[in-house]
Amino acid sequence: GENVEQHPSTLSVQEGDSAVIKCTYSDSASNYFPWYKQELGKGPQLIIDIRSNVGEKKDQRIAVTLNKTAKHFSLHITETQPEDSAVYFCAAPPGGALIQGAQKLVFGQGTRLTINP
Amino acid sequence: DVKVTQSSRYLVKRTGEKVFLECVQDMDHENMFWYRQDPGLGLRLIYFSYDVKMKEKGDIPEGYSVSREKKERFSLILESASTNQTSMYLCASSLGGQGAHEQYFGPGTRLTVT
Repeated sequence: GENVEQHPSTLSVQEGDSAVIKCTYSDSASNYFPWYKQELGKGPQLIIDIRSNVGEKKDQRIAVTLNKTAKHFSLHITETQPEDSAVYFCAAPPGGALIQGAQKLVFGQGTRLTINP
Repeated sequence: DVKVTQSSRYLVKRTGEKVFLECVQDMDHENMFWYRQDPGLGLRLIYFSYDVKMKEKGDIPEGYSVSREKKERFSLILESASTNQTSMYLCASSLGGQGAHEQYFGPGTRLTVT
């Protein structure tokens, strides 16, 4: 089955600097790669996703890059702000995991990002 | 705005008790999911459902069962709670149909089994 590894487990950066979180996956049939952000006391929320037919996607200060050959994808946050402090999760679906329209996801272990003022 | 609500934010139960965790979504989503979240392990899928009365095992179904009698409600049942089931439980829902869809999460239930 799919295995998703996420690094680092904790990351501390100065406000205004960039942060990068990396994930690797094992199933070459995976074709969808979302990133979720979990703020304190809340459930995870989708912030950006990428599908296997593109190599990069940007949304304001966040971007995701995908390298299908190497089976890894990364989240990039530029000009970090205090509100970016949260736990971030990457995820990937096991290939062929679409059952009656329900897309299973395997999540990474999570990265606790702290932005220092 | 999608809303996924969970019946309790915090729950304390004794070993051997039967525990019900309830989840309700208001967006007419076909799919619903139960995860548990543990430090260093991320989110692990327990069960999911793609239609009323339909369910599929996730990656860690042992010790759990689920019920989906109505489209908007998905219940997680711990038949006989054990201390290793102390965890944060997250419910999520998503649209059905072809392709991948965003999962919307509830705020979580922190369950402590003593």
